[in-house]
Amino acid sequence: QSVLTQPPSASGTPGQRVTISCSGSSSNIGSNTVNWYQQLPGTAPKLLIYTNNQRPSGVPDRFSGSKSGTSASLAISGLQSEDEADYYCAAWDDSLNGVVFGGGTKLTVL
Amino acid sequence: EVQLVESGGGLVQPGGSLRLSCAASAFTFSSYWMHWVRQAPGKGLVWVSRMSSDGSTTSHADSVKGRFTISRDNAKNTLYLQMNSLRAEDTAVYYCVRAKTGTRNAFDIWGQGTMVTVSS
Repeated sequence: QSVLTQPPSASGTPGQRVTISCSGSSSNIGSNTVNWYQQLPGTAPKLLIYTNNQRPSGVPDRFSGSKSGTSASLAISGLQSEDEADYYCAAWDDSLNGVVFGGGTKLTVL
Repeated sequence: EVQLVESGGGLVQPGGSLRLSCAASAFTFSSYWMHWVRQAPGKGLVWVSRMSSDGSTTSHADSVKGRFTISRDNAKNTLYLQMNSLRAEDTAVYYCVRAKTGTRNAFDIWGQGTMVTVSS
């Protein structure tokens, strides 16, 4: 089991808005920032959101992140077929002294 | 182009050893914290190890502590992962990743990964 909890799957139709949740604890999300990664099939992951809600250059503003307490969320608006991928949240964990990831959410665009 | 290229993966028997290398290019390697992240076939991402920019600070996941050692040669722009006493559960793609400046663990550059298979 992963330290951070994500739903295993999510889906939406083109143009819709979908959100993916990430639940943690006081030792990780509760006291550290959250990053999100997108992994397209057969490729290495890519940084999508960092420091809770910051987008690296080149990431469309359709992607947004938020954090509240010990949970975080990734929102994707105007869903597109190319958004079909696995999404992972991650944070530093003070108790484990390391980075912890969520188990990943497979997003399907119907 | 900023790039990380891993090498050294392969098939190894349980109990064996392997050393992974990660060659960095087009950025000032010596200024960045570097990490290893792995992904077992069909599974999620798992953090393995990290090393500070000057090599003075390291930490490893409990699952590899005492068996894996991260190191770097800033003169050669290369990160290493020495893996000893390998187990079947270490089978995974190993990614070398760079932590974005100003963050502890936002991994902004990923290598293509190198596959490690532990099997008899």
